[in-house]
Amino acid sequence: GQQLNQSPQSMFIQEGEDVSMNCTSSSIFNTWLWYKQDPGEGPVLLIALYKAGELTSNGRLTAQFGITRKDSFLNISASIPSDVGIYFCAGPRDYFGNEKLTFGTGTRLTIIP
Amino acid sequence: SAVISQKPSRDICQRGTSLTIQCQVDSQVTMMFWYRQQPGQSLTLIATANQGSEATYESGFVIDKFPISRPNLTFSTLTVSNMSPEDSSIYLCSAPGTANTEAFFGQGTRLTVV
Repeated sequence: GQQLNQSPQSMFIQEGEDVSMNCTSSSIFNTWLWYKQDPGEGPVLLIALYKAGELTSNGRLTAQFGITRKDSFLNISASIPSDVGIYFCAGPRDYFGNEKLTFGTGTRLTIIP
Repeated sequence: SAVISQKPSRDICQRGTSLTIQCQVDSQVTMMFWYRQQPGQSLTLIATANQGSEATYESGFVIDKFPISRPNLTFSTLTVSNMSPEDSSIYLCSAPGTANTEAFFGQGTRLTVV
């Protein structure tokens, strides 16, 4: 089945630093989604990517749809305390529709005081 | 985006009992989805709740253990039956947004089985 591997598994950074994480797949995806999960909450959609090579921003977040369709990247600039959480990439399990998802293994972001 | 409400938000249950989790969406949707998130893990799809037909289960999940109801286009329930400590997880409900291009999630139900 489809597998999404995220790297790194965890990150410990200082406030103000930039963050980069990536997600790789064993198969091609037509859509990439990036979610953030805070403790005790469900995942919240951050960015959706629909086209190979696409680069999309949402405030301090920028995500890219890899040209091979087997990877995606998420960058966070000038991190702040509320960026702490777990970041998941996700892709659709079926060709039609993006609602039924396969999730990546997650990247846990911690900010060191 | 869709607004999705789940209840209960958390529960502690005795092994051998069952718990029914409710999920309400603020708009009509054709499909709703149930995921499980085991401690420290990612999300795994349990099943698709189809309105007007039986739920479709993913490999490793069966109806007897996780019966699902979908009585209308805005509501679904997931029951975790005959619980054991291994069922301790966060259970999440999901539905598409109005554009049908992304999935949105409820806040989850944190289940602890003792």
